[in-house]
Amino acid sequence: DTAVSQTPKYLVTQMGNDKSIKCEQNLGHDTMYWYKQDSKKFLKIMFSYNNKELIINETVPNRFSPKSPDKAHLNLHINSLELGDSAVYFCASSQFDRVGYEQYFGPGTRLTVT
Amino acid sequence: LAKTTQPISMDSYEGQEVNITCSHNNIATNDYITWYQQFPSQGPRFIIQGYKTKVTNEVASLFIPADRKSSTLSLPRVSLSDTAVYYCLVVGNRDDKIIFGKGTRLHILP
Repeated sequence: DTAVSQTPKYLVTQMGNDKSIKCEQNLGHDTMYWYKQDSKKFLKIMFSYNNKELIINETVPNRFSPKSPDKAHLNLHINSLELGDSAVYFCASSQFDRVGYEQYFGPGTRLTVT
Repeated sequence: LAKTTQPISMDSYEGQEVNITCSHNNIATNDYITWYQQFPSQGPRFIIQGYKTKVTNEVASLFIPADRKSSTLSLPRVSLSDTAVYYCLVVGNRDDKIIFGKGTRLHILP
């Protein structure tokens, strides 16, 4: 009955590899997000999609590419992984037309690049 | 773009009431104030949201003065399980950027 799910939960890979993280929400929300939380626990938004359309794209290397096949899914693909990409990545969703839109977060994917 | 300022950390004891204050001096007319809680190894969880005066739910209360330049999250009778990081956000327009900041690390002692 999970609202926002992410796979995998843990991802260990080597520098230079390409990897993907998947996110799905069953809340019927029209907006999904990707956040990165680094070792200092600072939570930063990376991307936001509303009805499959990119609406927020923070200063993120273009090695990161979000893909939204439908409004219930937002996947994150990362090319040429670097050590600095090691972090916990959270997916979230919300209903965009609600002011101060409450976000529901997934459990996170801990990415370790060696 | 309304930024927020909150204490880096706070300690309290079980059974006490804890108040965490957040400053947002340049809050806009259509901004809402939202608080999230994050436990270790979990994603943030919505706690409460308000626009003005006082809002209360089963978890917390949110006090917002008339000028809305600050807000106070009140957690009644905290327990050890309330140890977490608490984030204050100000969000309004559809095109607003969402900034979580560093949050307040609350540590509840027995």
